[in-house]
Amino acid sequence: GENVEQHPSTLSVQEGDSAVIKCTYSDSASNYFPWYKQELGKGPQLIIDIRSNVGEKKDQRIAVTLNKTAKHFSLHITETQPEDSAVYFCAATSGGSYIPTFGRGTSLIVHP
Amino acid sequence: GAGVSQSPSNKVTEKGKDVELRCDPISGHTALYWYRQSLGQGLEFLIYFQGNSAPDKSGLPSDRFSAERTGGSVSTLTIQRTQQEDSAVYLCASSLGGSDERYFGAGTRLSVL
Repeated sequence: GENVEQHPSTLSVQEGDSAVIKCTYSDSASNYFPWYKQELGKGPQLIIDIRSNVGEKKDQRIAVTLNKTAKHFSLHITETQPEDSAVYFCAATSGGSYIPTFGRGTSLIVHP
Repeated sequence: GAGVSQSPSNKVTEKGKDVELRCDPISGHTALYWYRQSLGQGLEFLIYFQGNSAPDKSGLPSDRFSAERTGGSVSTLTIQRTQQEDSAVYLCASSLGGSDERYFGAGTRLSVL
């Protein structure tokens, strides 16, 4: 089955800096890669996703890149703000499956 | 309701007791998922319901865990003879179809003493 590794487990940045979270996956058949943000006491919320026919996708301060050859994808947050502080999860879904495999999460702390 | 609703939000139980966790998905969503989130861990898939199809139970960790979905809407996750290692946050999610965006509830935090 699919295996997703996520790094780092904790990331601390100053407000205004950029943050990058990286994930690798094992199944070359995976074709859908969502990113979720989980705030304290809440369920994960989808913030951006990318499919395997696209190399990069951007939504305001958030961007995701995908390298299918290397089987890794990354989340980039620019101009970080304190409200970006949360746990971020990456996930990968194999073609034909409706069950994403999640990474272990990255706790992002943005210091004002 | 506007989102996925889970109840109770917190549950404390004694080892060996049975517990039931409830999930109300977004109206009209045919797909429903249960996940377990242990401290410092990712989301562990438990079970997936899609319409009237047989559920995918491949993630259930033991036969003490079971789930049902009545009328294609509300789902109940049951854990029998709870153990301390069952302590975790249990998350439910729903989506319009299997390939659509998943909406998560806030979860039920289960503590087994």
